[in-house]
Amino acid sequence: ETGVTQSPTHLIKTRGQQVTLRCSSQSGHNTVSWYQQALGQGPQFIFQYYREEENGRGNFPPRFSGLQFPNYSSELNVNALELDDSALYLCASSLKREGYEQYFGPGTRLTVT
Amino acid sequence: RKEVEQDPGPFNVPEGATVAFNCTYSNSASQSFFWYRQDCRKEPKLLMSVYSSGNEDGRFTAQLNRASQYISLLIRDSKLSDSATYLCVVLSGGYNKLIFGAGTRLAVHP
Repeated sequence: ETGVTQSPTHLIKTRGQQVTLRCSSQSGHNTVSWYQQALGQGPQFIFQYYREEENGRGNFPPRFSGLQFPNYSSELNVNALELDDSALYLCASSLKREGYEQYFGPGTRLTVT
Repeated sequence: RKEVEQDPGPFNVPEGATVAFNCTYSNSASQSFFWYRQDCRKEPKLLMSVYSSGNEDGRFTAQLNRASQYISLLIRDSKLSDSATYLCVVLSGGYNKLIFGAGTRLAVHP
């Protein structure tokens, strides 16, 4: 086990609703990255948080937003859900901003109907 | 063109077989490369890093060819437990942005 936890495990929402996903990083890790994995695809980078600030963003619209807290846990918020947002959402923590060893949590499977 | 491209497979092989996966990447400035393994409906797990000199971990060997922007993973003596999706991954930029290929699925049968 990586020590990275995510909640909830599964979630079903309807189009137009808002959702918040949560991630607790591995102890001592100050960097959290979020990825979206659609069925049959590799994970796609959403954004990264380092010491409570966004440190990089992938090609996702502004309705995808996030937070990192002083204890380095993080939230991913998605507004105005669309059917294509149905995916596995993964968070990964790492010891430092530029280190490459990222440890993934088990993910949250979001279904939008 | 996708930044990281892999043969999607599936590769169906018998136990004991040797199987090779290939991957190409488009950004010649990429510096770090990895193979991750992902079991069905689970999170990706780091299998091994890939170095220019090549590296080996037991039955697994990874190679990098920077001139061709090509990465490979060789699995010898395949086990049933090797059945999974193998993701080719490139580290991009000055922060921890991992760029994943779509993955190659491997099924090892008795």
